[in-house]
Amino acid sequence: DAGVIQSPRHEVTEMGQEVTLRCKPISGHNSLFWYRQTMMRGLELLIYFNNNVPIDDSGMPEDRFSAKMPNASFSTLKIQPSEPRDSAVYFCASSRGLAGGSGKNIQYFGAGTRLSVL
Amino acid sequence: GDSVTQMEGPVTLSEEAFLTINCTYTATGYPSLFWYVQYPGEGLQLLLKATKADDKGSNKGFEATYRKETTSFHLEKGSVQVSDSAVYFCALRPGAGGTSYGKLTFGQGTILTVHP
Repeated sequence: DAGVIQSPRHEVTEMGQEVTLRCKPISGHNSLFWYRQTMMRGLELLIYFNNNVPIDDSGMPEDRFSAKMPNASFSTLKIQPSEPRDSAVYFCASSRGLAGGSGKNIQYFGAGTRLSVL
Repeated sequence: GDSVTQMEGPVTLSEEAFLTINCTYTATGYPSLFWYVQYPGEGLQLLLKATKADDKGSNKGFEATYRKETTSFHLEKGSVQVSDSAVYFCALRPGAGGTSYGKLTFGQGTILTVHP
């Protein structure tokens, strides 16, 4: 199994530019999560999908952020326009489902995209 | 809402020392509890988990026991190695009927450095 694949691994851009982060979940996983990690705020859940449908986007910081999951094997997180305070490591994770009452549906994380907005 | 509090780091130990990283949580019902580890430049990996009170999760010499009476899930290892140097995250996922279905709530992370 290839695991969760994120691209690019590193992104450097200038303030005001559009940034698109990509994620391919593990095959057969129905749930996908986007996280942001910073020193100041730790690991924050931005949005998650189940069966390609957004379930909770309450963690998305503002309208500049948007996420899509057009099919079961691909998701994007877009920032437009980007700002220096968006600099962080963005992680994608996937799981088989959302069973909150058991430990069966473990989240598997990608290696992350390190975003630097200058 | 749900929350997880970890002991603040960084933690620095010598090889073969005993490790404890404290984790306490606030949640309604019966959440599942997890420890994830993040090695430099990598994503988070599940280290161990426990899904009900008094369960003990274990992996790679690490252990943690789900204590509902103290709402704790402390991570322990009897003899750490240099290769254990990483960031450790405690996390919870709400139980059935929770309002944050499927969401993981993470602690702030604890940096562990083990010296030879």
